[in-house]
Amino acid sequence: AQSVTQPDIHITVSEGASLELRCNYSYGATPYLFWYVQSPGQGLQLLLKYFSGDTLVQGIKGFEAEFKRSQSSFNLRKPSVHWSDAAEYFCTSGGGADGLTFGKGTHLIIQP
Amino acid sequence: DGGITQSPKYLFRKEGQNVTLSCEQNLNHDAMYWYRQDPGQGLRLIYYSQIVNDFQKGDIAEGYSVSREKKESFPLTVTSAQKNPTAFYLCASKTTGSSEKLFFGSGTQLSVL
Repeated sequence: AQSVTQPDIHITVSEGASLELRCNYSYGATPYLFWYVQSPGQGLQLLLKYFSGDTLVQGIKGFEAEFKRSQSSFNLRKPSVHWSDAAEYFCTSGGGADGLTFGKGTHLIIQP
Repeated sequence: DGGITQSPKYLFRKEGQNVTLSCEQNLNHDAMYWYRQDPGQGLRLIYYSQIVNDFQKGDIAEGYSVSREKKESFPLTVTSAQKNPTAFYLCASKTTGSSEKLFFGSGTQLSVL
């Protein structure tokens, strides 16, 4: 069965600093991998996705993620965070009819 | 604009009462999903439907029921058998095929009175 692990429940970063959110997946074949962002009381918005090919994928809002098969990781990065980036971030994997498997999320706090 | 509409945004349930959450999409997507979100738990799959008149149980289907009479609509009923219904409920849809991107509604917060 697929599983996704986000080891950090909370991350605090100063505005303007760089960000890396960790994600590890467990899946036999090459998975479909996604990062979603959720603002409080809202649905989820797709930041970026990886299906195959180039292992460094670019997303919206200046985010990128790198697929590393050897480490079973798909970490999300941003070179300089803004206060508006404060939100809940979900790493997910998919590829089946039953939708996506979600990590438990990482809550990002931005310090002024 | 195309999208997914969930209503109501806030819903309150009394003890022993069934309540129904609405989910409508005009994206012409075949597949629709219901997730439950609890703090610190991520999203857990309740039910999903790949086609009209067919649906499958997800990981936490007990105490819930769904129907899929129309392609656009996938309502979720939280029955009195669900003893801990307070949560944020998210509906999603996607096309079948190579693109696995899920489109989400804005959610319904259900609370027990």
